Amino acid sequence: GAGVSQSPSNKVTEKGKDVELRCDPISGHTALYWYRQSLGQGLEFLIYFQGNSAPDKSGLPSDRFSAERTGGSVSTLTIQRTQQEDSAVYLCASSLFFEETQYFGPGTRLLVL
Amino acid sequence: SQQGEEDPQALSIQEGENATMNCSYKTSINNLQWYRQNSVRGLVHIILILSNEREKHSGRLRVTLDTSKKSSSLLITASRAADTASYFCATDDQTGKLIFGQGTTLQVKP
Repeated sequence: GAGVSQSPSNKVTEKGKDVELRCDPISGHTALYWYRQSLGQGLEFLIYFQGNSAPDKSGLPSDRFSAERTGGSVSTLTIQRTQQEDSAVYLCASSLFFEETQYFGPGTRLLVL
Repeated sequence: SQQGEEDPQALSIQEGENATMNCSYKTSINNLQWYRQNSVRGLVHIILILSNEREKHSGRLRVTLDTSKKSSSLLITASRAADTASYFCATDDQTGKLIFGQGTTLQVKP
């Protein structure tokens, strides 16, 4: 079956603009995660959704970052008033259940000029 | 705060040699996972070891876990050029999040 997909694959934006990044998890997966990976670095956890529970937003770096998951499936990560330090690859992952193996999408490469 | 630290940061070996990379972590875990990342396949899960396991094998991969030392090692035997990638350990922090290390960059020369 299809894996995790993300769109767009690349996004270039100007400082101060808002951006929306989309993630389509594997069908039937109940958990969805967002991570950020800066150049040459490991992954930084941002947020995760598990079923109908309230999301764990503890990794969001500032209130400019928000995410939602509609209908328990597709998720959108929104970054408002982007800054140059937001430039990174944003990776989405899903897992069948909480605390199980995570399957990653190809990522969205964001560049803020 | 970062949970996993990996060592070495970079490793270069000849095809056919074994590669060993290590990971240390800070808090109690339910499991420890290793991921591989390259430009072809992106970030892919390769092996998971539970906190009550000490060793696990999968093909040419061997993972050990020492919870008393809060460390793990990943051994890739008979390496191939296709094994060239960055390898990350990731631990769950018992709240569902995975905390990743900075990774080890492995280059396997043909």
